[in-house]
Amino acid sequence: NAGVTQTPKFQVLKTGQSMTLQCAQDMNHEYMSWYRQDPGMGLRLIHYSVGAGITDQGEVPNGYNVSRSTTEDFPLRLLSAAPSQTSVYFCASSRTGANQPQHFGDGTRLSIL
Amino acid sequence: AQTVTQSQPEMSVQEAETVTLSCTYDTSESDYYLFWYKQPPSRQMILVIRQEAYKQQNATENRFSVNFQKAAKSFSLKISDSQLGDAAMYFCAVHSGTYKYIFGTGTRLKVLA
Repeated sequence: NAGVTQTPKFQVLKTGQSMTLQCAQDMNHEYMSWYRQDPGMGLRLIHYSVGAGITDQGEVPNGYNVSRSTTEDFPLRLLSAAPSQTSVYFCASSRTGANQPQHFGDGTRLSIL
Repeated sequence: AQTVTQSQPEMSVQEAETVTLSCTYDTSESDYYLFWYKQPPSRQMILVIRQEAYKQQNATENRFSVNFQKAAKSFSLKISDSQLGDAAMYFCAVHSGTYKYIFGTGTRLKVLA
């Protein structure tokens, strides 16, 4: 079972570069989300989606864009990377419903120089 | 707004002993769920246990149990018979029908042999 697949696992960028973090799930989950994890700050929600064509902002959306053209894919785009975006990024998915646990990808460690 | 507070950045426990990790939360929602996730050094996020807020009975999963005090908005995790494999970061999270999971800052658990 693939579950939630994130690529790449590691990436180093220079300030000002753009890139897309990929996330795909094969569980037909309606809900998908992106988090960033920083030391001492837990997981903070960047953007989320409750279905294809529907996205919304989380706690820390600035500097990031998302789209959801299919149920399976939810890419996260950094338009102009900044050192403050150095972090570990997690994608997660779940069925809709407050009782549904999230299934996480393995994370992407991103460093911005 | 929902908030989750984990006041213990780090805890230690002797192998085979019992440890309790604290979590308090705040939410204006009447229907919500609470979760504990484990993040070992591999960086994976693994669901440990979940609690439905409308159920008074505390959830249990093998060696893991919760002490849910709804009036106090407290949701602590008890790990019995601690094992070396329990060493990890533990995150508490609250989720309601707004589709936003809110995570705490985490507690790092060390298990001493």
